[in-house]
Amino acid sequence: NAGVTQTPKFRILKIGQSMTLQCTQDMNHNYMYWYRQDPGMGLKLIYYSVGAGITDKGEVPNGYNVSRSTTEDFPLRLELAAPSQTSVYFCASSNLATHEQFFGPGTRLTVL
Amino acid sequence: DAKTTQPTSMDCAEGRAANLPCNHSTISGNEYVYWYRQIHSQGPQYIIHGLKNNETNEMASLIITEDRKSSTLILPHATLRDTAVYYCIVRVGVSGGGADGLTFGKGTHLIIQP
Repeated sequence: NAGVTQTPKFRILKIGQSMTLQCTQDMNHNYMYWYRQDPGMGLKLIYYSVGAGITDKGEVPNGYNVSRSTTEDFPLRLELAAPSQTSVYFCASSNLATHEQFFGPGTRLTVL
Repeated sequence: DAKTTQPTSMDCAEGRAANLPCNHSTISGNEYVYWYRQIHSQGPQYIIHGLKNNETNEMASLIITEDRKSSTLILPHATLRDTAVYYCIVRVGVSGGGADGLTFGKGTHLIIQP
């Protein structure tokens, strides 16, 4: 099992550009999450999903959109990139059988 | 607001036990205590969790006080690879409806000294 994979690893965007951060898990987990982490801070929840077709906002959803059409994939969309979205983005997954959330390696995004 | 309070940083000598404290005085009866760690910008890694009883696994031990208002994570024989930020998190377990993500504070930066 690859676990949780994220692409790309790094990206530089210009203000106003858009992009999609990809997240895939191969553990058949129902729950998936997107977090962002600013320098020196803990992770903050952006969006989460409890199953295909179901998503909900976390603590910091503004400027982002998500969709969950399959169990495996949970992409995060930035429509109009802003410097405040410069951060490291982590995707995670879990299910009812375990208390543990499995995290991906992260995507480092810089908006200039 | 974070539900937990942890020291900002701690040092520990290699080979010694590292004891990381966490205060969670407002914990509810159905909330678990979770510990994760993050090694140098990698994704966080689950360590252990508990509800009321002390717990032990291959990575660490978790000691929860009887009133559940505080806990201690113990790494029995710390190595240099244990240098990381350790996060103490309280939340309802997934099976109890707690599917809405983890709330991370700033954690404790544990530095293992050679």
